[in-house]
Amino acid sequence: DAKTTQPNSMESNEEEPVHLPCNHSTISGTDYIHWYRQLPSQGPEYVIHGLTSNVNNRMASLAIAEDRKSSTLILHRATLRDAAVYYCILQDNYGQNFVFGPGTRLSVLP
Amino acid sequence: ETGVTQTPRHLVMGMTNKKSLKCEQHLGHNAMYWYKQSAKKPLELMFVYNFKEQTENNSVPSRFSPECPNSSHLFLHLHTLQPEDSALYLCASSQGGPPYEQYFGPGTRLTVT
Repeated sequence: DAKTTQPNSMESNEEEPVHLPCNHSTISGTDYIHWYRQLPSQGPEYVIHGLTSNVNNRMASLAIAEDRKSSTLILHRATLRDAAVYYCILQDNYGQNFVFGPGTRLSVLP
Repeated sequence: ETGVTQTPRHLVMGMTNKKSLKCEQHLGHNAMYWYKQSAKKPLELMFVYNFKEQTENNSVPSRFSPECPNSSHLFLHLHTLQPEDSALYLCASSQGGPPYEQYFGPGTRLTVT
């Protein structure tokens, strides 16, 4: 079973920021927090990952709670192309137990 | 274009057929993965190979047989499949160590008749 919980769906307006939450209360000290997204009719796409500190890349930002039991993926300005299912996944240090949950389906309204 | 290619993109096969899915990665990675995505279900990890050795097999039926001849190629051999095996089969690759950032191929859409 997935070790993370996410809302089933979220909506955003185009060009506004989006905050996608993820709870992972059973995270262990060496688990990485990964985010992927899957656009319609495509394979999943890596978005960002983190361990303890907040992370930024060209696609998004990842804010990790101090106790690491939750995290938030931030899309700074949503576009129509960001409409996808977003997955928050924990991965252990050995690369095992990589379990996808149902994710959050993000709709972006023009 | 992720650097991971899969062939064929679509496959229709009967329950008595034998077919193979192919995955190739051009990223210099050492780990490769097979996933199954059925309609309205989360992705399910099937097999993991790290440095050509199988490191994970998530209770997959023996009618699915993986093969990893080298770090760049991964096959999934299929025989005597069932209609419920119809799904999107995705291949991914990553470095052989943490944080295992995975790059996915476009998938093979398999229909078993």
